[in-house]
Amino acid sequence: DTAVSQTPKYLVTQMGNDKSIKCEQNLGHDTMYWYKQDSKKFLKIMFSYNNKELIINETVPNRFSPKSPDKAHLNLHINSLELGDSAVYFCASSPRLAGDGSDTQYFGPGTRLTVL
Amino acid sequence: GEDVEQSLFLSVREGDSSVINCTYTDSSSTYLYWYKQEPGAGLQLLTYIFSNMDMKQDQRLTVLLNKKDKHLSLRIADTQTGDSAIYFCAGKQNAGNMLTFGGGTRLMVKP
Repeated sequence: DTAVSQTPKYLVTQMGNDKSIKCEQNLGHDTMYWYKQDSKKFLKIMFSYNNKELIINETVPNRFSPKSPDKAHLNLHINSLELGDSAVYFCASSPRLAGDGSDTQYFGPGTRLTVL
Repeated sequence: GEDVEQSLFLSVREGDSSVINCTYTDSSSTYLYWYKQEPGAGLQLLTYIFSNMDMKQDQRLTVLLNKKDKHLSLRIADTQTGDSAIYFCAGKQNAGNMLTFGGGTRLMVKP
């Protein structure tokens, strides 16, 4: 069983469109995250949610709106897509928000978004 | 905020040891992690070390932490072609459980 899954795996779309990426974890974790990996492989945190509540929003444009319908899901909706949004987006989850090293983050396989 | 830096590239021969280095700036990092990313795949956790430890060994992997110099290394013994991947180190601050990643080191293992 996949622990952290994302759909779709690949997403190609035109500039200006609105798209969503879904993430689900079946680990029973409380905390979920979205990361962006650019073409140079730099990974940067975008959002962190704990029990469906936003904890971190790292200077991400408000075109990006995460939604957490329940603690097993954290979806990422992007409005008015721009060329610079092309990247690989990784979802991750961890058992809880703060504590010891057992709050290890487990990553999904990534969604490669290409904006034309 | 935290800065984490790694060398971009490392090439070794199969059977040799690989040492991937990482430096970080935030001494309050409580945990430091190594992740592996194979081509087209997500990040796989390899190991982590608590900041009050100097060393951690897990089968072929040895993590060394020099907290004074803020230097972390990952040694892979008997490197295999299947170890070819990008390796990311990451530091964690307690606030928000946020991970800050280095830029990744691409390890190439030649047969």
